[in-house]
Amino acid sequence: GNSVTQMEGPVTLSEEAFLTINCTYTATGYPSLFWYVQYPGEGLQLLLKATKADDKGSNKGFEATYRKETTSFHLEKGSVQVSDSAVYFCALSETGNAGKSTFGDGTTLTVKP
Amino acid sequence: DTGVSQDPRHKITKRGQNVTFRCDPISEHNRLYWYRQTLGQGPEFLTYFQNEAQLEKSRLLSDRFSAERPKGSFSTLEIQRTEQGDSAMYLCASSQGADTGELFFGEGSRLTVL
Repeated sequence: GNSVTQMEGPVTLSEEAFLTINCTYTATGYPSLFWYVQYPGEGLQLLLKATKADDKGSNKGFEATYRKETTSFHLEKGSVQVSDSAVYFCALSETGNAGKSTFGDGTTLTVKP
Repeated sequence: DTGVSQDPRHKITKRGQNVTFRCDPISEHNRLYWYRQTLGQGPEFLTYFQNEAQLEKSRLLSDRFSAERPKGSFSTLEIQRTEQGDSAMYLCASSQGADTGELFFGEGSRLTVL
């Protein structure tokens, strides 16, 4: 079956530091890949997505590239802010059944001023 | 657009009682999903609807769980004879008809079974 493995957290960084959160996946076929973010007290919301190999998703300064050869979708940001403190979830969805997503366990990011 | 709303936000119940959660999706979305999330874990798929039709149920959804979406708008998730292991956050999400995979989540309904 499908699975998503995320870098274990929590991750604590100083403001303006570089962020990487690793994500690898196992899937049959050609899934779409997503990063969702959950800010304190809020629901999960889509941060970025990529639907095919070598696609780069980007939003709010965050980027992730769909690497089929390494089955990875690592999240990066060049300079984090305190407001980026949240829980980040990597997810995949099956081709043809897009809403049935498989999520990683989440990585908690805390950014200190 | 008011987003996906869930009610109640928090429910505390005693073991053996029945509970029901409601989800109102984004109005133009025809797909509606239920997920369950326990502490420290990611959301796990439970079931989904396209309009009023329930198209798939996870093996996680025991016979004590039932979900409905009678008119293709709001949905309810009922848990009968609750057990302590049912304590979790129940998440509802909706999506457009196109197969984009992007989910719009509500804030969740937290269930605590004593």
